[in-house]
Amino acid sequence: QKEVEQDPGPLSVPEGAIVSLNCTYSNSAFQYFMWYRQYSRKGPELLMYTYSSGNKEDGRFTAQVDKSSKYISLFIRDSQPSDSATYLCAILELNAGNMLTFGGGTRLMVKP
Amino acid sequence: EPEVTQTPSHQVTQMGQEVILRCVPISNHLYFYWYRQILGQKVEFLVSFYNNEISEKSEIFDDQFSVERPDGSNFTLKIRSTKLEDSAMYFCASSGSTSSTDTQYFGPGTRLTVL
Repeated sequence: QKEVEQDPGPLSVPEGAIVSLNCTYSNSAFQYFMWYRQYSRKGPELLMYTYSSGNKEDGRFTAQVDKSSKYISLFIRDSQPSDSATYLCAILELNAGNMLTFGGGTRLMVKP
Repeated sequence: EPEVTQTPSHQVTQMGQEVILRCVPISNHLYFYWYRQILGQKVEFLVSFYNNEISEKSEIFDDQFSVERPDGSNFTLKIRSTKLEDSAMYFCASSGSTSSTDTQYFGPGTRLTVL
């Protein structure tokens, strides 16, 4: 069964902290891994994607994939109050009409 | 910056009524999607659409649902006879291609409330 699981949180951290957000997935055929950010009353916004095991950095954000464990992570360095949002991991299935399968999201609150 | 727009932002309807949710994808995009999110649950894929045809649909997208691109700018989702369980946020998305590197841009959503 195609599933993506996330801890719903909420996760509350002080400004400047390093945040670790995690997802697990069940289908080893999944190849493309996305992280979306969703602010209240808005649609999801793509932050990062990766398709291979290892790390990918973009500014304060690092995406990490461990295919052997079926585990994906997003790290946020020097977290800011503006990072407060719900973070959704998602798997892209190219052979299924570009369908995205989302995790349930983790709500992050960064306190000043 | 180009964006996906959706109307209305909130739709209230009676059970059994038909609703049409409207989306204007980014103008040069070719691939269109509908997702929904029931309150407190995951964002779920409904359907993808390309070249005036459905590319893929989920089990949720049954005969009560249909999609259409009636002109060069709009993309619509119709629910023929709404049920209480259709109450959700409905998100439209579009992308320029199906490349893994091509972002799906999401609209702000339409909140559908079925009474």
